[in-house]
Amino acid sequence: AQSVTQLGSHVSVSEGALVLLRCNYSSSVPPYLFWYVQYPNQGLQLLLKYTSAATLVKGINGFEAEFKKSETSFHLTKPSAHMSDAAEYFCAVSRYGSGNTGKLIFGQGTTLQVKP
Amino acid sequence: DTEVTQTPKHLVMGMTNKKSLKCEQHMGHRAMYWYKQKAKKPPELMFVYSYEKLSINESVPSRFSPECPNSSLLNLHLHALQPEDSALYLCASSQELPTDTQYFGPGTRLTVL
Repeated sequence: AQSVTQLGSHVSVSEGALVLLRCNYSSSVPPYLFWYVQYPNQGLQLLLKYTSAATLVKGINGFEAEFKKSETSFHLTKPSAHMSDAAEYFCAVSRYGSGNTGKLIFGQGTTLQVKP
Repeated sequence: DTEVTQTPKHLVMGMTNKKSLKCEQHMGHRAMYWYKQKAKKPPELMFVYSYEKLSINESVPSRFSPECPNSSLLNLHLHALQPEDSALYLCASSQELPTDTQYFGPGTRLTVL
């Protein structure tokens, strides 16, 4: 069964520093992996999606993630943090449900704090 | 356009009230979802509709009743809720495949008194 583990419930970086948010998955089939961001009192916004077309996936707002099968990881990075990046980040893997519908299995989330 | 809209944004209701949450998308998506999210937690799947038919019910109490009147609309009818049902309710939609991207609405913040 698919599952997702996000290492670190809270990450704090200085503005301009590298952002690294960790995600490890378990899946018995090639996974479809997602990173979503949630700003306070808002819905989830898709940052990027891995679909096996390329191991390095570029997303919005300067974020990217690298799929490493050998490490079962899909870590999210951004070279230089901006104050506006402060938010909750969720890693997710899709799982087939019944009737050809899918279920997103979310990690517990990582709160990113950006200090001036 | 990848917009999913939800109304109302905020809802306060008593335990004996009946209310409804509404969700709409015009992306031609054939799958729609309801999630419940408590503070500092990931979203929890409640229901999935595929081609306007209920496909997944994650053992949700019957005080929550979903409805999909057409391919663009999804409702969640609420009756006799409990204070612990207070949460952010998120709607999402996707194309038709399980691996298609889900696009989320802004949510309805529900408070049950």
